[in-house]
Amino acid sequence: EPEVTQTPSHQVTQMGQEVILRCVPISNHLYFYWYRQILGQKVEFLVSFYNNEISEKSEIFDDQFSVERPDGSNFTLKIRSTKLEDSAMYFCASTRQGASNQPQHFGDGTRLSIL
Amino acid sequence: LAKTTQPISMDSYEGQEVNITCSHNNIATNDYITWYQQFPSQGPRFIIQGYKTKVTNEVASLFIPADRKSSTLSLPRVSLSDTAVYYCLVGEVAGNNRKLIWGLGTSLAVNP
Repeated sequence: EPEVTQTPSHQVTQMGQEVILRCVPISNHLYFYWYRQILGQKVEFLVSFYNNEISEKSEIFDDQFSVERPDGSNFTLKIRSTKLEDSAMYFCASTRQGASNQPQHFGDGTRLSIL
Repeated sequence: LAKTTQPISMDSYEGQEVNITCSHNNIATNDYITWYQQFPSQGPRFIIQGYKTKVTNEVASLFIPADRKSSTLSLPRVSLSDTAVYYCLVGEVAGNNRKLIWGLGTSLAVNP
């Protein structure tokens, strides 16, 4: 069964540095998402992306965050000037269509640790 | 914005049937109800989805009453490997995208 893959599985970065988290969505999927989960807390929506542009973003997704689909397979989340509170699991998800009845498929996440 | 309410935790034993009920009083007409499973340090895994009445797949069943204000995930004959957090979600449709609003889920512990 096709999967969403994310790299790296664990990223350790100094505060203030930039980090890029990478995702390869399922190949025939068109809608892409990033979520984050701080340890012991809820999964939180960050951003959705379709047709090479952001469809919706949450208040968490401020100017330090950006997303890009640099080629036909990768979907990246960039965090500029990381802060301690950015430490979390970051999950990428994709879905074939954006309608309500299409489930989102998640990768296993990148654990981001900011020192 | 359709929020969901689930029990924080449940305990069960191997071989038992487990039913987890979720309430979603403000579900919108076009919304589907989706359940995910999450193991520690892994991404959420889709289990089952439904709109009304009953849906069954190889993993679980989902019961949805006519008013759709609640739903019940039924796991038949659970095993130790079913110990996980289970999330009930009703997606907020924004244009062509679906932003999933997550609660804290139900932490299911299956005991030997």
